[in-house]
Amino acid sequence: DTEVTQTPKHLVMGMTNKKSLKCEQHMGHRAMYWYKQKAKKPPELMFVYSYEKLSINESVPSRFSPECPNSSLLNLHLHALQPEDSALYLCASSPDRADYGYTFGSGTRLTVV
Amino acid sequence: GEDVEQSLFLSVREGDSSVINCTYTDSSSTYLYWYKQEPGAGLQLLTYIFSNMDMKQDQRLTVLLNKKDKHLSLRIADTQTGDSAIYFCAERGNTGGFKTIFGAGTRLFVKA
Repeated sequence: DTEVTQTPKHLVMGMTNKKSLKCEQHMGHRAMYWYKQKAKKPPELMFVYSYEKLSINESVPSRFSPECPNSSLLNLHLHALQPEDSALYLCASSPDRADYGYTFGSGTRLTVV
Repeated sequence: GEDVEQSLFLSVREGDSSVINCTYTDSSSTYLYWYKQEPGAGLQLLTYIFSNMDMKQDQRLTVLLNKKDKHLSLRIADTQTGDSAIYFCAERGNTGGFKTIFGAGTRLFVKA
């Protein structure tokens, strides 16, 4: 299995809702990442987990809460989001170092109304 | 800080070669990458090159690295309509840990 699977593919949520994005990989990768991508922009790093521990938080607002329950799963919990948080949220994984690049999922298209 | 720059658009005719250019500022960049993103999809790693290499070829793709000028290029031979996508140059230095810096992306249009 050489894929990163993200669910759901599309999500529409209100500003008072709580929702979660899920990401799964079975490649034995020990680093997992959340990226945010706005239209016509490059991906922006949000969080990095290494060996299930949070190693990078790029000053992301607390309304985004990551969780890594085990080495194969990565969640992003969303609460009280703003319309400007609407974007494509990409999960990626790599072996413990990313020397050979990342494997990305196909993303969750999030719309906040 | 570290920066990666690319031209925003490139248009070529089907069957021609495409050359997408990228410059970076981090002199410690050790790993350089090209990713492809099709509409509505995630990024797909196309190829990578290490800073101790000048060139890497993989089927229709040729990557050239000029470390002195901090310039990276991706050549796609015999460009097809299926190559239409956004191509991101990215770099990671030894000091960056897990952090990879992406360029803004070059949108490649292939005309039939």
